[in-house]
Amino acid sequence: DTAVSQTPKYLVTQMGNDKSIKCEQNLGHDTMYWYKQDSKKFLKIMFSYNNKELIINETVPNRFSPKSPDKAHLNLHINSLELGDSAVYFCASSQAGGVQPQHFGDGTRLSIL
Amino acid sequence: SQQGEEDPQALSIQEGENATMNCSYKTSINNLQWYRQNSGRGLVHLILIRSNEREKHSGRLRVTLDTSKKSSSLLITASRAADTASYFCATDAGTGRRALTFGSGTRLQVQP
Repeated sequence: DTAVSQTPKYLVTQMGNDKSIKCEQNLGHDTMYWYKQDSKKFLKIMFSYNNKELIINETVPNRFSPKSPDKAHLNLHINSLELGDSAVYFCASSQAGGVQPQHFGDGTRLSIL
Repeated sequence: SQQGEEDPQALSIQEGENATMNCSYKTSINNLQWYRQNSGRGLVHLILIRSNEREKHSGRLRVTLDTSKKSSSLLITASRAADTASYFCATDAGTGRRALTFGSGTRLQVQP
């Protein structure tokens, strides 16, 4: 009965490859997010979707493309992976209506060789 | 740049002692939240304090907010080994973006 689940948990791949991370939430939330946490533990918003509509798109390279097929899913596709993409990527969700507490997945640890 | 800065960056205490972590932020906020992150896990929401509140309690947690100083503190009383984790403050600037801006975190180690 995991609330926010991400797959895969670990992703090790070569530079230049394309990869996807999937996220699903069963909390009935309307808003979903992708965050990036670097090696120093800084956590930064990348994207936010509300009811499948993109509402936040930070200054993220366009190699990163989020897709929300429905409000319970928000996937992240990354093209032409670079060494600097190595990080932990977190999916989160929250209720709509102002800023609510966010529920996080356990993260996807991406390592670029 | 990060909105919040936690202080100290790392804290080591004995079980039973109190732990205090501070957070400073730069812009006006609607509310401030504290999260805990255990090693290898996602963040877990602990407590939310609104900009018109000065203090809030939840179990062994006490959060204060001073908007004039743009700072907040998280106090964990009677700490336990299970409290070992990183603690982050996160602010909402009230712009309607629904995104939180996180601080750099305080790594708390509670020695049994």
